[in-house]
Order: sequence, then structure tokens, then C-alpha cells
Amino acid sequence: AQTVTQSQPEMSVQEAETVTLSCTYDTSESNYYLFWYKQPPSRQMILVIRQEAYKQQNATENRFSVNFQKAAKSFSLKISDSQLGDTAMYFCAFMKIAGGTSYGKLTFGQGTILTVHP
Amino acid sequence: DGGITQSPKYLFRKEGQNVTLSCEQNLNHDAMYWYRQDPGQGLRLIYYSQIVNDFQKGDIAEGYSVSREKKESFPLTVTSAQKNPTAFYLCASSIRGRYTDTQYFGPGTRLTVL
Repeated sequence: AQTVTQSQPEMSVQEAETVTLSCTYDTSESNYYLFWYKQPPSRQMILVIRQEAYKQQNATENRFSVNFQKAAKSFSLKISDSQLGDTAMYFCAFMKIAGGTSYGKLTFGQGTILTVHP
Repeated sequence: DGGITQSPKYLFRKEGQNVTLSCEQNLNHDAMYWYRQDPGQGLRLIYYSQIVNDFQKGDIAEGYSVSREKKESFPLTVTSAQKNPTAFYLCASSIRGRYTDTQYFGPGTRLTVL
């Protein structure tokens, strides 16, 4: 079974600064996806970024980027130029792939509450 | 607008009652999922369905039931056998296929047992 660990229950950052959220995972699979989802106070889950394990290049989406270290089983999220709207709970999630498609089952970490201060 | 809708937003249930949570999507997605979220915890998978008329148990299926009679709809019934049903419930959907299984979520239903 896969496990996902987010070791930082809460973090805070000043507006316009950079913050990094940590995520580690445990799996024996070689092919999988990793995701970061954001859940603001509205509780809507929003996809932030996605990484395919077979790709060595780190994924980037505007101000959001990841540092994917496959051997270390680490998948951190960096938020640059933090904005007040980034205040949310952030979840790291793992999805196994088999036979060229996925089972579609996401395993989530416990989440990190990020607060952006003006 | 394409998306996932869940209703109701808030639901109150008396102990011993069954309740059904609605999830509808017009994204033409093949797969649909139900998750439960408790305070301070991540999401846990209850049930999922990859095609119509087929579904599988997730990690915490006991006390829940689902049906998938239409591609667009995946209702979740919380039965009286669920011992601690108060939680936030999220429905998600995805295209089923090679490397395209990113899941998109609905707005959620908050269930409270009185």
C-alpha cells in the first residue's frame, strides 16, 4: 500500500515571498502520478500541479513548481510570489499506474495549512 | 458550463436514517469517485466507478452504498450502518484512459448526524 506524508501541519509566509511545502511518499511502484491539490476556505478541491514519475523534468504552472526527487521519494511544492489567494490547505496525492493506464485511486497526505500574510 | 455538481450543500440526518448524496457531472468523464474528509485529515476513498454499471470499494466502504446507472450520475447512500457519518463528502470525476486520470472535484456536501 502507498502512503503519503506531509510533515508540516501549518506554514505561513508573507505576501510576495516564496514558500516550499514538503511531501514524501512510500511506494514500490515505478510508474505513478503525483499531484498537489489546493483546498481554500470554500472547501473546493482545486488541482494545482501534476507530475508524471517517468518524466525527469519538474512540472511548472505559473507561480507553482515542484521539486521531484524520485530516488528520495520526495515531491515538494514551491510557491513563488505568494498571494493572499494562496491561503488554503494543500494536499499532496499519489496515484498508481499499471499497464499503461491508472487505477484512478488517489492516496492523499494529511495536508498543510498555508497562510499568506499581507 | 461543464462541471461537477453536488447536492445538497448541507445535509442533516437523524441517527438510524439512510441519506443519499447526489453527484452529477457533464464533463463526459468515464470515471467517478467518492471521498470522505474528516477534520485534520486528508481525503479517503469510499467507492469508485470506472464505467456505467460497475463500481469498486475503496478504503472505507463499510456503511456506504453506490450505484452507477448513468454515466453522468454517481449517488452515494450513507446507511444507518455507518457508525460515524458526520463528515465532508467530495465527489470527483476523471477521463479514464492512458495517462489522463487527473481528477476534478465537486464543491462537496457537509453531512451532520443529529
